Amino acid sequence: KAGVTQTPRYLIKTRGQQVTLSCSPISGHRSVSWYQQTPGQGLQFLFEYFSETQRNKGNFPGRFSGRQFSNSRSEMNVSTLELGDSALYLCASSLGSLDRGMYSPLHFGNGTRLTVT
Amino acid sequence: KQEVTQIPAALSVPEGENLVLNCSFTDSAIYNLQWFRQDPGKGLTSLLLIQSSQREQTSGRLNASLDKSSGRSTLYIAASQPGDSATYLCAVFSGGSNYKLTFGKGTLLTVNP
Repeated sequence: KAGVTQTPRYLIKTRGQQVTLSCSPISGHRSVSWYQQTPGQGLQFLFEYFSETQRNKGNFPGRFSGRQFSNSRSEMNVSTLELGDSALYLCASSLGSLDRGMYSPLHFGNGTRLTVT
Repeated sequence: KQEVTQIPAALSVPEGENLVLNCSFTDSAIYNLQWFRQDPGKGLTSLLLIQSSQREQTSGRLNASLDKSSGRSTLYIAASQPGDSATYLCAVFSGGSNYKLTFGKGTLLTVNP
């Protein structure tokens, strides 16, 4: 069974640009959640999508948005990039929506390393 | 606001040693707690998931315990190996429609051959 796939692995953008990251979950998993990892703040929850609907959102500005397609693949978009957006962005998939309880482990992809210059 | 602390931040041990990693959290109203390992430049790999009704979970050389009332969890690694070298993170899940998933900053473990 293929794992969670994130593309691209690396991205370099300049301030003010926008970026779109992609995440393909494990086959059969309908929940995709996104996280930002930085040395200073650690891992922080961005949002979760389940059945094409956003189920929960972390404490991030509206420049961070996402969507999910009918095949459960998800994209995350960051507009008007700032230097502080440089981070490793991780997505995770799970069978059920997290707002029903986490009864099975989260499966993470290897992330997209975004550098904003 | 839930806060998750992992001590120590870094740990270096010789191969074969048994070791304990600690995770503490401030709000005991949790649904479950999960331990992960992260290798450099990679994503997280789930090691053990403990539901709030459980006291411990075991997988191979790993054993995780959970004491909700005291806000603590420990990850015990038996007979450590160089391949265990990684960063270990714990994450606390506080459920409901407005659930929170809060991660500790991790313990960097180095097992020396």
